[in-house]
Amino acid sequence: DIQMTQSPSSLSASVGDRVTITCRAGQSISNYLNWYQQKPGKAPKVLIYAASSLQSGVPSRFSGSGSGTNFTLTISSLQPEDFATYYCQQTYTTPWTFGQGAKVEI
Amino acid sequence: QVQLLESGGGLVKPGGSLRLSCAASGFTFSDYYMSWIRQAPGKGLEWVSYISGGGYVIYAGSVRGRFTISRDNAKNSLYLQMNSLRAGDTAVYYCARHHSGYDRAFDIWGQGTMVTVSS
Repeated sequence: DIQMTQSPSSLSASVGDRVTITCRAGQSISNYLNWYQQKPGKAPKVLIYAASSLQSGVPSRFSGSGSGTNFTLTISSLQPEDFATYYCQQTYTTPWTFGQGAKVEI
Repeated sequence: QVQLLESGGGLVKPGGSLRLSCAASGFTFSDYYMSWIRQAPGKGLEWVSYISGGGYVIYAGSVRGRFTISRDNAKNSLYLQMNSLRAGDTAVYYCARHHSGYDRAFDIWGQGTMVTVSS
């Protein structure tokens, strides 16, 4: 199975901050990398798919980059509604695996 | 309105069985791959299984041989038959639709149904 490692696992930030979360794959996964946001008690929501494609309806302050083994999710200006846990997911090969999550707190 | 609604969760004893259902609405169900994903209490996400519109299936190793994914396109429904349940299967189970433009991501999720395996 491909291991996905996110860093940091948690971070504290303020409204307006630029936030970057990284995701490293245990082997090359090309661009088969997705990012999800999950708020407490809710289902995840896709933000970015195929490493850098912004999901329809997602604010443009979210962006993704990377290929191979190293990927980043960037929030250009953190908003109050962005405090949540973020997961990366590889879909290069089954079993599709997720990172352990990165919790963004105030 | 595109929607997924899971049902069938509950409390079951180790070794028992449970069948989850996911009712889809608002889209042509048969056109889409569908997956089950689970999340143990306080933990991260784990993909469990997917099924194509035509019935091709793939499982995670942790459930292979114990869980069976299926679908009824006429009823717009997805199912997960879970047998030989273990404490480690305790989780919220989500059904999810594979992305409309890129089938290797999940663009629509249900609200989840809780499965608790305990004696």
